[in-house]
This record gives sequence, C-alpha cells and structure tokens, in this order.
Amino acid sequence: KAGVTQTPRYLIKTRGQQVTLSCSPISGHRSVSWYQQTPGQGLQFLFEYFSETQRNKGNFPGRFSGRQFSNSRSEMNVSTLELGDSALYLCASSLESGYTDTQYFGPGTRLTVL
Amino acid sequence: QKEVEQDPGPLSVPEGAIVSLNCTYSNSAFQYFMWYRQYSRKGPELLMYTYSSGNKEDGRFTAQVDKSSKYISLFIRDSQPSDSATYLCAMSDGGTYKYIFGTGTRLKVLA
Repeated sequence: KAGVTQTPRYLIKTRGQQVTLSCSPISGHRSVSWYQQTPGQGLQFLFEYFSETQRNKGNFPGRFSGRQFSNSRSEMNVSTLELGDSALYLCASSLESGYTDTQYFGPGTRLTVL
Repeated sequence: QKEVEQDPGPLSVPEGAIVSLNCTYSNSAFQYFMWYRQYSRKGPELLMYTYSSGNKEDGRFTAQVDKSSKYISLFIRDSQPSDSATYLCAMSDGGTYKYIFGTGTRLKVLA
C-alpha cells in the first residue's frame, strides 16, 4: 500500500506570497492532519480534517487554512507568507479521527520564505 | 514553559550501548504517549505507543511512562548505527488536539 505523499517536496517563496501544499493520504484513510516542524518549536499541530470537515485546529493565525476533498486528499494554504513560516510542513493520515489511531506521516514539504 | 520538554542532544553513543531518551511534561491530563523516529529528510514513523503508566517492550525498544513524575522514557538496547535518527516523544489527553510533540533528540550511534 502506498504511503502518504506530499507535493511539492521543496518550495521557495518570497514574503507576501501565498502557497498551497498538497497531501494524498494512504488509501482508505479518512483523517488528515497537518503539522509545522521547526528546529526551535518542534512539531506543532495545525489542523485536522476528517470527511471534508475541519475537526481540530491548533494555535496558528488565520493565514493558515486547509481543506479536504471527497477523496480524502487535503491541501493546506498559507497566505501573506512571513519569514517565520519557513519550516517543514508534514501531513499525517489515519484511518479514523481519534487520538488512539496511528498516524502515518508523509515526507513533508520544505518551505523556504525569502 | 513548554508542555513537553525534550533534550535536543545530539546524543552520541558507541554501537551496542543502551540508549535512554527522555521527555518531561507538565499536563497531568496526558494519558496517551508515543515515540516517533525521524530519519533525515523523512517524516516521523511511530515506534511505540503506550496508554497511561507502565512499560511496553517491542524488540530492542522499551517505553516507560511514569505519570506520577510526568516523565516518559524510551530505551534502546544493543543500539545500531541504523538507529541514528531524531526521536520525538508525543502525548495526548485524548481531547481536542491530536498530539503535543517534543522538539526531538538527535541520536548518533557510532560504529
């Protein structure tokens, strides 16, 4: 079974631009979560989608948004990019939406904001 | 103060050593505890999952949870160079958020 895929793997943007990242979960998984990983803060939860509905949201500004499609694929959008948004963005999928459900992570998208 | 604290390392050990990785936390509501391993340029992969207090063993890996001290540990026996990675602890209270992660400890096992 194919793992979680994320595109693109690397991205360079400038301040003020916006960016869209894509995540394809493992086949059959309905929950997709997004995380931001930086050296200083570690992994921080952005949001979770389940059956096209946002279930949970972390403490990030409204510039960060997402959506999930009927095939469970998810996109994350960051508008008005700031230098501090440079990070590895990880997507994780799980069968259901539950804290006991194993999350499988993708390889991430490395975003650099100049 | 962060909810989850983890020594960033790097921790360098010789091959065959017993490795101890630790996390402390402040939220007494946490009851689900996980350890992830992350290789360079890869996403984290789940190593161990523990509910509440106690020990759990899986091959060379042992996870320990001490809720009274708000302290969790991952022990790696007979460490191998292939164990060189960043180890992340994660925990959840089963409530709104999925998991709260530590910042990770970089481990280097020297051949």
